[in-house]
Amino acid sequence: KNQVEQSPQSLIILEGKNCTLQCNYTVSPFSNLRWYKQDTGRGPVSLTIMTFSENTKSNGRYTATLDADTKQSSLHITASQLSDSASYICVVTGRDWMDSSYKLIFGSGTRLLVRP
Amino acid sequence: DAGVTQSPTHLIKTRGQQVTLRCSPKSGHDTVSWYQQALGQGPQFIFQYYEEEERQRGNFPDRFSGHQFPNYSSELNVNALLLGDSALYLCASSLGTATTSAQETQYFGPGTRLLVL
Repeated sequence: KNQVEQSPQSLIILEGKNCTLQCNYTVSPFSNLRWYKQDTGRGPVSLTIMTFSENTKSNGRYTATLDADTKQSSLHITASQLSDSASYICVVTGRDWMDSSYKLIFGSGTRLLVRP
Repeated sequence: DAGVTQSPTHLIKTRGQQVTLRCSPKSGHDTVSWYQQALGQGPQFIFQYYEEEERQRGNFPDRFSGHQFPNYSSELNVNALLLGDSALYLCASSLGTATTSAQETQYFGPGTRLLVL
């Protein structure tokens, strides 16, 4: 069964500290992996997208890594800011064997709270 | 360049009623996907529209239906509302067909929060 699991479920850190969020997936065949940031009550906003051949992708203070062999990804946030408080959702795109269509499998997200 | 817009922002309905949610895609996009997001959960895929046809569908009952118009905007209709339909409904737009849009980033709207009493 195609699944995306994220950990931790929630995280509290102090402003200025770094943190790392984890994403494990069982989606196969794999097409790409995205990290989204979702502020409370808003729609998700794309941070990074990585294909099978990419190991790392950065977007400012956000750095995503991908290990396609172990089917794991991480999102590292450097020098956290109060505005980083949000849910971070890992989304894996897989291909449906039946109709060859691409399907997005969403994780439940990690809720990050950055405190002053 | 307008992003994805959704209306209304909030909605309160009672059980058994019907609701219609609306979405206008990002300029230049032709594919619209709808998601249901329960509190504390990740979005769940409902269906996707391209060229005014439903191209993909998630595990949602027939009470959930949709439509795409020639200008690429879309509607989500939910009939016979249940308490469990209370959620944030997200619309996402992208460019390309259902089979080739894998690398295309989906841009999400702000969502419509539906409360069923």
